[in-house]
Amino acid sequence: KQEVTQIPAALSVPEGENLVLNCSFTDSAIYNLQWFRQDPGKGLTSLLLIQSSQREQTSGRLNASLDKSSGRSTLYIAASQPGDSATYLCAVFGGGADGLTFGKGTHLIIQP
Amino acid sequence: DAMVIQNPRYQVTQFGKPVTLSCSQTLNHNVMYWYQQKSSQAPKLLFHYYDKDFNNEADTPDNFQSRRPNTSFCFLDIRSPGLGDAAMYLCATSRTRGSGHEQYFGPGTRLTVT
Repeated sequence: KQEVTQIPAALSVPEGENLVLNCSFTDSAIYNLQWFRQDPGKGLTSLLLIQSSQREQTSGRLNASLDKSSGRSTLYIAASQPGDSATYLCAVFGGGADGLTFGKGTHLIIQP
Repeated sequence: DAMVIQNPRYQVTQFGKPVTLSCSQTLNHNVMYWYQQKSSQAPKLLFHYYDKDFNNEADTPDNFQSRRPNTSFCFLDIRSPGLGDAAMYLCATSRTRGSGHEQYFGPGTRLTVT
């Protein structure tokens, strides 16, 4: 059964710092990996989708990498801003599941 | 511009009183999913429809049912809600099953059971 782990569970940094969020998964037979943002009490906003054949994807200040063979992904946020404060969720599709398997997320606080 | 719409956004129901949550989509996607997210937990897949083909997860309680009358709409029915069913319910769609297809999520319905 696919399991997804995100480290750290929570992170608080001053504005302007570059930061890295980590995601690992147990079954490398995935089709793709998505990173989502979730604001308190809200739904999910898709940030980046990486296909299993890709190594990374970029959108603005966000860069996500995928190392499928080692079961790892990172989300890099450059020049963090207070508006980046949210919970970031990693999810994989595949590994025997019919839908996305999510991690519990990293709760990120950017201090002004 | 809304692509996946969920109604209502907030729902309060009484213990044991049936409740229905609604999801609609303008993307004409073949697959619709329902996820349950309890407080501070990861979203968990309940079931999905591939066109009219219903696929239930093995550990989804019988208390949860779903209907998809057409491509655009999908409903989540909770027959007898318990306090443990209080959660955010997320609807998602994808163009088809299989590799590579991004899932698009609605804003969610937060269910409170009193």
